Amino acid sequence: GAVVSQHPSWVICKSGTSVKIECRSLDFQATTMFWYRQFPKQSLMLMATSNEGSKATYEQGVEKDKFLINHASLTLSTLTVTSAHPEDSSFYICSARDSSTSQETQYFGPGTRLLVL
Amino acid sequence: GESVGLHLPTLSVQEGDNSIINCAYSNSASDYFIWYKQESGKGPQFIIDIRSNMDKRQGQRVTVLLNKTVKHLSLQIAATQPGDSAVYFCAEPRPPYGQNFVFGPGTRLSVLP
Repeated sequence: GAVVSQHPSWVICKSGTSVKIECRSLDFQATTMFWYRQFPKQSLMLMATSNEGSKATYEQGVEKDKFLINHASLTLSTLTVTSAHPEDSSFYICSARDSSTSQETQYFGPGTRLLVL
Repeated sequence: GESVGLHLPTLSVQEGDNSIINCAYSNSASDYFIWYKQESGKGPQFIIDIRSNMDKRQGQRVTVLLNKTVKHLSLQIAATQPGDSAVYFCAEPRPPYGQNFVFGPGTRLSVLP
């Protein structure tokens, strides 16, 4: 149980284009999902907290207009990197918490590697 | 504050030996801790967790020890196998509400044949 999927697993795009990444909880419902970014040999950096049916909460320094988050259902959150630039190239990982339990454990997706040319 | 890993500590162990990975946490009020394993190119995978009312918890081949006095957490892996090679992160709830977690810088475990 507690499987989280991401799509796509990797994407290469031209500078200036937008990229959408999906995060799905496959066997549980998640009112809260999290989006992280991870650069090589570094730890996970939280970008934003995605809340079902409401606006996402962004961490300091993360541009909400550049990283659009939509959490339209209890099993799906999307992150759209708008007007992507080479410095946005990174490994993007989502996680989700099971809403049916009081467990704080976050279950992570497999990640999406973004390369902006 | 946030932990940003600019230098990834590495632990090399011989296959079959026991591994001990250490983590220092920052918030003395943290009441829950998690260890994650991240293999190359993949998302973190939950290994084991522990609450602050415990000082030890055992799983399958893994044991987590918590020392609240010195704010130290360790993950012990028994009979380390090649498949254990990965980066291991500890995580603690982020103040003030603990809705999400602060991750440690990670330790890379390399298992030697």
